[in-house]
Amino acid sequence: DTGVSQNPRHKITKRGQNVTFRCDPISEHNRLYWYRQTLGQGPEFLTYFQNEAQLEKSRLLSDRFSAERPKGSFSTLEIQRTEQGDSAMYLCASSPQIVGTDNEKLFFGSGTQLSVL
Amino acid sequence: GIQVEQSPPDLILQEGANSTLRCNFSDSVNNLQWFHQNPWGQLINLFYIPSGTKQNGRLSATTVATERYSLLYISSSQTTDSGVYFCAARERDTGRRALTFGSGTRLQVQP
Repeated sequence: DTGVSQNPRHKITKRGQNVTFRCDPISEHNRLYWYRQTLGQGPEFLTYFQNEAQLEKSRLLSDRFSAERPKGSFSTLEIQRTEQGDSAMYLCASSPQIVGTDNEKLFFGSGTQLSVL
Repeated sequence: GIQVEQSPPDLILQEGANSTLRCNFSDSVNNLQWFHQNPWGQLINLFYIPSGTKQNGRLSATTVATERYSLLYISSSQTTDSGVYFCAARERDTGRRALTFGSGTRLQVQP
């Protein structure tokens, strides 16, 4: 169990550029989440995957954001035409699905810190 | 959607002291978790506790679901306990999987 891995750890970009982040969940975890955290706040939910299916998206997720999990393993989060307000820590979490229970403990990666200049 | 409020927002302790952190939530929940975010930003899951009491070493947590609050107890605090503690909850019977986080309690343990 190597934990949830996120790359890159830091990303600095200019306004208007596109960026892509990657998340590798704990193996055999079929649930994957993306959250965003700004300074001094708790994480905010962005989107949820069960296997390769994107089943839930937050209203925070504008049209400039897209997420994929093509084979039900790793996931990518892309932000197009970045804005300064996109500057935040982007966190990925995974959890196993335990049939017959709502028991679900999330395990977070170390995050990708995005700075938009 | 569900509202999650944590108190106090900030807490400074001397090493060895005990503390209680509180989390209030506005609706019935089917999932409640406590996390510790260390100074390097890593979120560590402490407890999954939608109801009842659990203990893990110097930490314990109690959730009273009928009264919509949860408490995290830290005993004999150590400097490594410093960081931000978050409570996160999922509203029952919505079909949604999103966890809503509180704003956290920032804890500083001084030697």
